[in-house]
Amino acid sequence: QQQVKQSPQSLIVQKGGIPIINCAYENTAFDYFPWYQQFPGKGPALLIAIRPDVSEKKEGRFTISFNKSAKQFSLHIMDSQPGDSATYFCAASMGNTDKLIFGTGTRLQVFP
Amino acid sequence: GAVVSQHPSWVICKSGTSVKIECRSLDFQATTMFWYRQFPKQSLMLMATSNEGSKATYEQGVEKDKFLINHASLTLSTLTVTSAHPEDSSFYICSARVGSYGYTFGSGTRLTVV
Repeated sequence: QQQVKQSPQSLIVQKGGIPIINCAYENTAFDYFPWYQQFPGKGPALLIAIRPDVSEKKEGRFTISFNKSAKQFSLHIMDSQPGDSATYFCAASMGNTDKLIFGTGTRLQVFP
Repeated sequence: GAVVSQHPSWVICKSGTSVKIECRSLDFQATTMFWYRQFPKQSLMLMATSNEGSKATYEQGVEKDKFLINHASLTLSTLTVTSAHPEDSSFYICSARVGSYGYTFGSGTRLTVV
């Protein structure tokens, strides 16, 4: 119940494409769903996050779609660039327990 | 924004020695710190949660006597890998809770035990 399942494991797109990464969870007590970007040898950096009271959130080229009934959320990267090539992690947490549970990660490669 | 500074960024040590990794919150007070371990091409695995002034809470399967965590102040948490062995080689990352829901991460420490 504490797991967050993430797919696909890897993704290759051309510049300008719209990669989509999906995550699913079981625990309905989760109330915070962030996405992180990680470059090799670096710590994760927050991209965008959503709470379950909204179905979509957009920040720049990054959009989270959230489906509370299906217990799924996804990250869309608009107009992807080679500089977006990185590993992306979804995560979930319950505010009152502090733990952040990570998905398994998606390695994105954007070719020119 | 809230920044966590982690040092060193990489360290090589001999088998049997101890290594200390530091994480400092630069512009905020970190009541709660988290320590993660990440193997190549894998996700972050939570090792322990520490609250300032109290003992750390370790996740199941994590040896508390091998991975000593000290969170003595609101701006500093340390992870000491004691009697390190090659299998302890990994990427270690700290994180601090920011506000009600945010988390900020350190830049990570690459530990290689030879």
